[in-house]
Amino acid sequence: EVQVLESGGGLVQPGGSLRLSCAASGFTFSSNALSWVRQAPGKGLEWVSGIRGSGASPYYADSVKGRFTVSTDNSKNTLYLQMNSLRAEDTAVYYCDPNPYGYNLGYWGQGTLVTVSS
Amino acid sequence: AIQMTQSPSSLSASVGDRVTITCRASQVIRNDLGWYQQKPGKAPKLLIYSASSLQSGVPSRFSGSGSGTDFTLTISSLQPEDFATYYCLQDYNYPWTFGQGTKVGVK
Repeated sequence: EVQVLESGGGLVQPGGSLRLSCAASGFTFSSNALSWVRQAPGKGLEWVSGIRGSGASPYYADSVKGRFTVSTDNSKNTLYLQMNSLRAEDTAVYYCDPNPYGYNLGYWGQGTLVTVSS
Repeated sequence: AIQMTQSPSSLSASVGDRVTITCRASQVIRNDLGWYQQKPGKAPKLLIYSASSLQSGVPSRFSGSGSGTDFTLTISSLQPEDFATYYCLQDYNYPWTFGQGTKVGVK
């Protein structure tokens, strides 16, 4: 059975850092695209970052480029999002998609809330 | 980045109505488009992938069409559980981009 557990969210001051984790079980990462998507309170969906299951070819939205880093640890079947220089506008629920079935954004985690505030 | 223009932003409908939502891409994206449903407080759910393929377990009243730049999501007979917000997503190239969303509410 496929299971996904997101963690790492919380309250952080502007300029601070957080690392989100997306631990998957019941399958192993493949060459599929793994993704992070966020949703600010009361707003629509925003794609944030993507990477191949091999760890190759990371991509970022312009709004986070240079501040966020996506990575994988295939030994732990875990996807990460390192978020630095956080801003108030990064406040959102962050969702991961470890893509177990080969459908882009076809399997979402439960989401983890990141709040950037002083 | 490719812009996805989704319309309408909201609509009011009754159970049994036929509902149509459209998405237009700012450039050709072949059929690299998905449709998602989101209910309050929940993660989005994939309904349609590759513009017209129904995701497993999704009711057949949902259908997608289009290719190139213009796409449509149709709900043939709206059911009570279909009141939600719907988004399109292009995954033709990075950065992937969503439409602004369409909230389907009760008339």
